[in-house]
Order: sequence, then structure tokens, then C-alpha cells
Amino acid sequence: GAGVSQSPSNKVTEKGKDVELRCDPISGHTALYWYRQRLGQGLEFLIYFQGNSAPDKSGLPSDRFSAERTGESVSTLTIQRTQQEDSAVYLCASSLAGRRLEKLFFGSGTQLSVL
Amino acid sequence: AQSVTQLGSHVSVSEGALVLLRCNYSSSVPPYLFWYVQYPNQGLQLLLKYTSAATLVKGINGFEAEFKKSETSFHLTKPSAHMSDAAEYFCAVSESFGNEKLTFGTGTRLTIIP
Repeated sequence: GAGVSQSPSNKVTEKGKDVELRCDPISGHTALYWYRQRLGQGLEFLIYFQGNSAPDKSGLPSDRFSAERTGESVSTLTIQRTQQEDSAVYLCASSLAGRRLEKLFFGSGTQLSVL
Repeated sequence: AQSVTQLGSHVSVSEGALVLLRCNYSSSVPPYLFWYVQYPNQGLQLLLKYTSAATLVKGINGFEAEFKKSETSFHLTKPSAHMSDAAEYFCAVSESFGNEKLTFGTGTRLTIIP
């Protein structure tokens, strides 16, 4: 597709369940980011992938959060044993390889609601 | 550590009036600064960015922002608001040496009054 695609667009889950969020970046973009936006707050950095380098996981809030990326394509963000405070919009963004701080292209996000 | 403060979570201006959205940053090194816009039901899009070249940066849709180091500010302006400018605007900062992480402000929702 032409843009960053995220699925599902909405996810409602029960506290304690695991969820998996998917991101398809723009083809050719080797940099991929995950951000979280809680209601009324700014975007919170979670994790960054760049090519085959080790990901920057410094933003992951707890060990319940993990993310993987298959080569330079799809990424999945997994939240285990979800808590109500995990409710937020999870945004994925991608940018071109090797061009530090080139503009990010964002997906429309996944709205996660933990009941 | 870097941070961004956006003053005013909601701003309303009349159509044709000046738009001014405020952003102040904190950074231990010379920063890269960005404004992103999110139109209803769309993903964030880059409006403009400052990367230590000209201090007055022009972006899309008639917006511009001026980097003022003495005030640690990067306010976004547009001389004449249009109805299509109604959106949420986010200021972001990244430290310019080796830091890939953008730190975003809490956003400002701009409403245009007909």
C-alpha cells in the first residue's frame, strides 16, 4: 500500500489477556517506530527498529511489552497480561533508511481498550 | 533529557485570523524540532522541521515556525486561518546527535470559527 498500515484499528480486550498489534510500514522504509498515546497525553516513544541493528527498546514501559520485526517489513507489538492503564492509541511510523530524522510517516493507529 | 511543552490544549480562531500555536522545548544539545498535524480520522503528517539551517522554517499549507534559541521556542504560525486547518497539532523534539527518538508534546486542538 501507499502508506503505513496498522491492524486492527480497534481492539477491545479483557484485563489479563494478551494482545498483538500489527504494523506494515511503507515499502523500502527500514526505520520503524512504535508510539503510544494515552488520552490527553502526548505521544510516548516505545521502540525503534533500524534495519538489522539491535532495536532501541528504551521506551517499553514494562516487560509485558515486546515487539518484533521481520526483516525490514512487518512489525508486531505484543502486550501480555494487559492492564487498564495499557488503554491507548498505539501508533506505528516508518521512515527511509539511513536518513536520520527524515520525516516519519504515521499509520492511523490501533485504539486499544482494556476492560 | 529532551521535552516539549505545548501551551493550550485547545485553540480557537476565526477564519481569516492569525493562527499561533505555542511550543517550548528543553534539550541538552542543539535540537531538531518538528511540527506534525493530525487531521480528523487520519494519521500524523509532517508540517515542517527545523534542523539547524534557517531559523524560519516554512512548511506545507502556509504554515511556518521560527526557532528562537534564546526563548527555547518553536511556535507555529499561519497568517490567515482556513476552515481546513482544523486539526490537532503536535510539536516534537529530537536531540541532534545520535538520538532517533522523537519526544512529542501533548498536542493542541485547533478549531476554526466560521
